[in-house]
Parts: sequence; structure tokens; C-alpha cells
Amino acid sequence: AQSVAQPEDQVNVAEGNPLTVKCTYSVSGNPYLFWYVQYPNRGLQFLLKYITGDNLVKGSYGFEAEFNKSQTSFHLKKPSALVSDSALYFCAVSFTGNQFYFGTGTSLTVIP
Amino acid sequence: EAQVTQNPRYLITVTGKKLTVTCSQNMNHEYMSWYRQDPGLGLRQIYYSMNVEVTDKGDVPEGYKVSRKEKRNFPLILESPSPNQTSLYFCASSLATRLFTDTQYFGPGTRLTVL
Repeated sequence: AQSVAQPEDQVNVAEGNPLTVKCTYSVSGNPYLFWYVQYPNRGLQFLLKYITGDNLVKGSYGFEAEFNKSQTSFHLKKPSALVSDSALYFCAVSFTGNQFYFGTGTSLTVIP
Repeated sequence: EAQVTQNPRYLITVTGKKLTVTCSQNMNHEYMSWYRQDPGLGLRQIYYSMNVEVTDKGDVPEGYKVSRKEKRNFPLILESPSPNQTSLYFCASSLATRLFTDTQYFGPGTRLTVL
């Protein structure tokens, strides 16, 4: 079955420190991978995506993610966290290009 | 302004009373989709549509219907709502090529409570 996992429900990090939000997916062909962010009482907003090409992708607000095919992972990273980065983050995967599977979400709290 | 709109934003209803949640996008996107968000389960895809008159089931289609008569609109219909359909619903749209669907733009969400 195709799926995506976010193993951490909650990640806490101090402001200015690097942050990582983890995402792994089950293997079934070549995946399209996405990260979205959700602020309170808002819809999801796109951060970045991997479709093909360079394994390191850069996105909005200084975020980046690395596609690792051998580890079936697509972890979200940022070198220096801001308090305003506090939000709910979702990883999503698609293998067919039209059906999407989202992770359960990781709540990121950046502590001032 | 490019956007996806949903109505209503909040709805409280009773079991068995048919309801429709509307979704409209002004970006001329081919692809549209409905998701439900539940605590601990993340987002799960209900239905999606690759273009007018083309719809397909997602992961959790039971109890829902959709239609795509116009490119901009993709209503979600609950013909006989039940309490287990209490959830936060999101509509999304995206450009789509023959190969894959690109970045999705999400609406603000509809919080549905079925008593």
C-alpha cells in the first residue's frame, strides 16, 4: 500500500537552531513529494516539492528538503528556525500524479 | 486574487439531512480534489477530478458524492450525513499535465458537525 509517515507528532526547537521535520514513504514507483504548512484556522500552503532532478529542493520561507531514494525519505529542514515557523507541517506523496497521500502532520513549535 | 473558495465555512446539521459544500476556483485549474482532516489521521483524499465530467475516488469516498459540471466548481455532496462525517473539509485545485498534478492550492476549510 502506498503511504507516507511522519514519525513525530510534535517537534520543539529553540529559535535560531536548525530544524528537521521527518517524512518517509512506502515504495511504489517514482514518487512525487510535497511539503505543505498549515497555520491555525487556515488552509494548507505549499512549501516545496520534489518531482524529478536534483535531490535537494529549496522552497518558500528558507525551507529545503532532501529526497533520499535509498532511505525513502523526504525530510524538511531549515538552518535557523523562527518563532513564526511554528505551525502544522504535512508531507504528501503521489505515485500516480492525481491521488495523494498525506502524513498525519507534525506540529512544530519554535521556542523564543 | 487567485483563490479557492468554500461555502459554508461552518455547518452544524443533523443525521440524514442532505447537504452540499461548494468549492470554486478562479485559476482555470483542471484538477480539483476534496480532503477531510481528522486529528491523528492527517488529510485523507475523498474524491478528485482531473477535468470536467471526470471524477475518481480517493481513499475515503464512502458516504460522499461529487460532480464536475463546470471547470471552476467541484461541490461535495453528503446525501445522508452521519456523525462519523464530522470533520474539517478542504477543497484544493491544481494545474495538471498528462503526467502529474502539480502544487495544490487549498481553500480555507469547512468545519462540519453532524449531530
